[in-house]
Amino acid sequence: KAGVTQTPRYLIKTRGQQVTLSCSPISGHRSVSWYQQTPGQGLQFLFEYFSETQRNKGNFPGRFSGRQFSNSRSEMNVSTLELGDSALYLCASRMGADEETQYFGPGTRLLVL
Amino acid sequence: GQNIDQPTEMTATEGAIVQINCTYQTSGFNGLFWYQQHAGEAPTFLSYNVLDGLEEKGRFSSFLSRSKGYSYLLLKELQMKDSASYLCAVRRLMDTDKLIFGTGTRLQVFP
Repeated sequence: KAGVTQTPRYLIKTRGQQVTLSCSPISGHRSVSWYQQTPGQGLQFLFEYFSETQRNKGNFPGRFSGRQFSNSRSEMNVSTLELGDSALYLCASRMGADEETQYFGPGTRLLVL
Repeated sequence: GQNIDQPTEMTATEGAIVQINCTYQTSGFNGLFWYQQHAGEAPTFLSYNVLDGLEEKGRFSSFLSRSKGYSYLLLKELQMKDSASYLCAVRRLMDTDKLIFGTGTRLQVFP
């Protein structure tokens, strides 16, 4: 069974631009969570989607948004990029609402110049 | 609020045993996870503890004490490939879809 895939793997943007990242969960998994990882803060929860609905959101500004499609694939969007948005963005999937274990994708490394 | 503490860095020798500690303060505790993350790669699941006690899985074991808000990951017969960051994460009852991570412990294994 294929793992979680994320595209693109690397991205360079400039301040003020916007970016869309994509995540395809493990086949059969309906829950997708997004995390931001930076050296200083570690992994921080952005939001979680289940059956196309956002169920939980972390403490990030409204510039960070996401959505999930009927095939469980998810996208996250960051508008008006700031230098501090440079990070590794990780997506994790799990089968259902009560499934404990999340499986992570390889991440998208975003650099904002 | 939530607080998760782990040592920032640890070093050990190949073949040795190392224990990585994690302490947490949170309401509604509903499980603790350990993940391994090699540089530039995705975190990979190692263990999940929700009840007190020791869970053994090959060379890796994880322990939980809910009353003390404490967990440790024990790595035996260390190998060079065990050099990685080890992430402790807590799950809460009211936020089962969200994991709260510590900043991770970077382990370096030397020959």
